[in-house]
Amino acid sequence: GQNIDQPTEMTATEGAIVQINCTYQTSGFNGLFWYQQHAGEAPTFLSYNVLDGLEEKGRFSSFLSRSKGYSYLLLKELQMKDSASYLCAVRDSNYQLIWGAGTKLIIKP
Amino acid sequence: DVKVTQSSRYLVKRTGEKVFLECVQDMDHENMFWYRQDPGLGLRLIYFSYDVKMKEKGDIPEGYSVSREKKERFSLILESASTNQTSMYLCASSHGREADTQYFGPGTRLTVL
Repeated sequence: GQNIDQPTEMTATEGAIVQINCTYQTSGFNGLFWYQQHAGEAPTFLSYNVLDGLEEKGRFSSFLSRSKGYSYLLLKELQMKDSASYLCAVRDSNYQLIWGAGTKLIIKP
Repeated sequence: DVKVTQSSRYLVKRTGEKVFLECVQDMDHENMFWYRQDPGLGLRLIYFSYDVKMKEKGDIPEGYSVSREKKERFSLILESASTNQTSMYLCASSHGREADTQYFGPGTRLTVL
């Protein structure tokens, strides 16, 4: 079967750095997405990786290792507004998105 | 900016009622999707559509149907609502056959009593 694993919840301090991991086993691979979802709101696109390595976008970076079936989202200089759920999704061989359950990130002052 | 709108943010219905959830996107996207989101589970795909009048089953189509009569509009229908269909329903759209980045609507929280 297809499976995406990410931690259920993480806590970090304002101004710090946090890394949210995502491991996957899917039928094929055509890219990995990270989305942010604030409580009661729609998911919004953060990043996309299809090749191995690190993609940096401001305070957020996303890393992919296809051989290990592994990705992480790195958030730097955490702000209170970063409190949200972070969803990992993998596009499989049929170009369908397989979604993780999401990681709820709690930022403390 | 891509805009995806859904007809209701909150909806309360009774068991056995027919329920219509509407989704409209304004970016001329070919692809549209309906998901449900439940605590502790990832988004689960109900139905999707790659073009007008086309529809394909996702992972959990049972109890649902869809309609896409116009490119910008994708409707989800619960023929006879049941309590296990209480959930958050999210509509999304994307451009291109190979499912580019999906843009989501704000969601409809449906409660079936």
